[in-house]
Amino acid sequence: QVQLVQSGAEVKNPGSSLRVSCRASGVSFRDDRFHWVRQAPRQGLEWMGRIIPALGSAGYAQKFKDKVTISADESIQTVYLDLSSLTSDDTAVYFCARGDGFDNWGPGTRVTISS
Amino acid sequence: FVLTQPPSVSGSPGKTITISCTRSSGSIGRNFVQWYQQRPGSAPTTLIFEDKRRPSGVPDRFSGSVDTSSNSASLSISGLEAEDEADYYCQSYHDDSWVLGGGTRLTVL
Repeated sequence: QVQLVQSGAEVKNPGSSLRVSCRASGVSFRDDRFHWVRQAPRQGLEWMGRIIPALGSAGYAQKFKDKVTISADESIQTVYLDLSSLTSDDTAVYFCARGDGFDNWGPGTRVTISS
Repeated sequence: FVLTQPPSVSGSPGKTITISCTRSSGSIGRNFVQWYQQRPGSAPTTLIFEDKRRPSGVPDRFSGSVDTSSNSASLSISGLEAEDEADYYCQSYHDDSWVLGGGTRLTVL
């Protein structure tokens, strides 16, 4: 069955960068579409962007264009979310999801930005 | 486009509730709508995909529909149970952009 396994919780200083990973199994990785979704504390879900590993190119929500980079490594069936210039506003849980309908979700990675 | 949901709904055990999801521009019928349930501290799970289809394992108490006249989608939950208390989100997409509704908190009275 489909499994999305995400990297563990992170605590980072303001101004630093961070990479969150999502390893997929049970999928046709290169032809699938993977998304990242953010959930700030006590807030709703926000779509950040997506990647199709076979194409290599990512697309982003306008709000996150200058904040994130999404990439994929087909050899280890893993997608990445890179967050730059971290501020307290980036404190959130980050979910990866698979498919146009977000058919499967990872468990989430909690990111805390604090000095 | 924006998907607008009511912030909260409530219902008594055994009753039926409906959560709406209104699309601000473009036809609701243009792209499939999905619905997710999220319990506190957990990842979302898919309840409805492609407007009205249920993944295996989702009870038929959950149903989805689309109404082009109101440009909205709806999630209905019948036979409310205490465990249905959660947040619910709708989702759709267009032109390589995905949109999630603001979420609706369901309280089972």
